[in-house]
Amino acid sequence: QVQLVESGGGVVQSGGSLRLSCAASKFSFSLYGMHWVRQAPGRGLEWVAFIHYDEHNRYYADSVKGRFTISRDNPKNTLYLDMNDLRPDDAAVYYCVRKPGGNFFDFWGQGALVTVSS
Amino acid sequence: QSALTQPASVSGSPGQSVTISCTGTSGDVAGYQFVSWYQHRPGQAPKLVIYDVFYRPSGVSDRFSGSKSGTTASLAISGLQAEDEGDYYCALYTSIPTPNWVFGGGTRLTVL
Repeated sequence: QVQLVESGGGVVQSGGSLRLSCAASKFSFSLYGMHWVRQAPGRGLEWVAFIHYDEHNRYYADSVKGRFTISRDNPKNTLYLDMNDLRPDDAAVYYCVRKPGGNFFDFWGQGALVTVSS
Repeated sequence: QSALTQPASVSGSPGQSVTISCTGTSGDVAGYQFVSWYQHRPGQAPKLVIYDVFYRPSGVSDRFSGSKSGTTASLAISGLQAEDEGDYYCALYTSIPTPNWVFGGGTRLTVL
């Protein structure tokens, strides 16, 4: 069964930076595009960013464009999200999610909690 | 990036059927087949239950079905069970102006 394990969450001050990691296993990571999706406390799901399997294309939600960077290390089977200039409304559980051949999200990690203090 | 509208809550008794709607615009839901649905139970990772409007992933109960008419996509759940309780989200992929994915606001399903 596909496994996605996020790490790197924690408490950071407003304006600070944080890097999330997602360790992937039990599938051929280098063949799949990957997403980050977040859920703020009491709110719904929000798509954050996507990276193609070969890193050639990356796309971001308007709310994080210019502040967040998605990247991957295929030999290490790891997905990253570098978050800069964090704001209180970036506080959320961040999910690492696999994109299959279609335009949907098929497997989700358990999430990493990011708290931004003002 | 477009917005998708879902009812805040729906409810039903065990054995009954419910339908959750997801309304967009003529520029998104009506024009695309890339609507998917996710079940999110408290403390668990979200789970894909429908993709590309009406396809069901392997392992998902056939009590779940999807459809679309005009600017509204729908998720129907028949034979309600206690385990169906949770939040349900629709999602849409569009390529305009650049590839992006948008979620509906979510619907809380309560099994009475």
